[in-house]
Amino acid sequence: EVQLVESGGGLVQPGGSLRLSCAASGFTFSSYSMNWVRQAPGKGLEWVSYIWSSSSSVTYADSVKGRFTISRDNAKNALYLQMNSLRAEDTAVYYCAHLSKTLAFDIWGQGTMVTVSS
Amino acid sequence: QSVMTQPPSASATPGQRVTISCSGSSSNIGSNTVNWYQQLPGTAPKLLIYSNNQRPSGVPDRFSGSKSGTSASLAISGLQSEDEADYYCAAWDDSLFVFGTGTKVTVL
Repeated sequence: EVQLVESGGGLVQPGGSLRLSCAASGFTFSSYSMNWVRQAPGKGLEWVSYIWSSSSSVTYADSVKGRFTISRDNAKNALYLQMNSLRAEDTAVYYCAHLSKTLAFDIWGQGTMVTVSS
Repeated sequence: QSVMTQPPSASATPGQRVTISCSGSSSNIGSNTVNWYQQLPGTAPKLLIYSNNQRPSGVPDRFSGSKSGTSASLAISGLQSEDEADYYCAAWDDSLFVFGTGTKVTVL
């Protein structure tokens, strides 16, 4: 079964750090680009970052550039998002999403909640 | 980053047709294919339409997509109660991804 499972969310103070993980199974993880997408409470979807299959290219939304770092470990079928200097506006459900060859997010995880609050 | 605009809400009675628009620009919809996602309450988004008008396996043919110039649209014909959800368009935009603002569909 194709599956993505996020973990690592929680409550963190403003200025703090958190590392999210996404475990992939059921497909050849090393062959596909992966993404992080977030959704603030009651708000729409916001794309955060992507990483190519070989990690040769990464890109970030302006809202997280310089604070978040995406990475992957193809040997462990895992995707990560290191989040530093967290702000209240980073509070959201964070989803990892598989990017298909037709450039669509065709597989999503269940999401992990990140709350930035003092 | 560019914004793709959708109407905040749409509604219709069961069996009717509802259409959702997605207005973009030359850097996103005008240059790239459009995908549509359905998000049922409390769940993760699900891919509904890819490459402007293609349905993934398992998506009913009641859902259809189209694109013209810098705009795209999603149509739901024969609306059913289980179609009540949020719908988002999305596209590449100059090496970044952009989601539309989202449309809440209500089945009256």
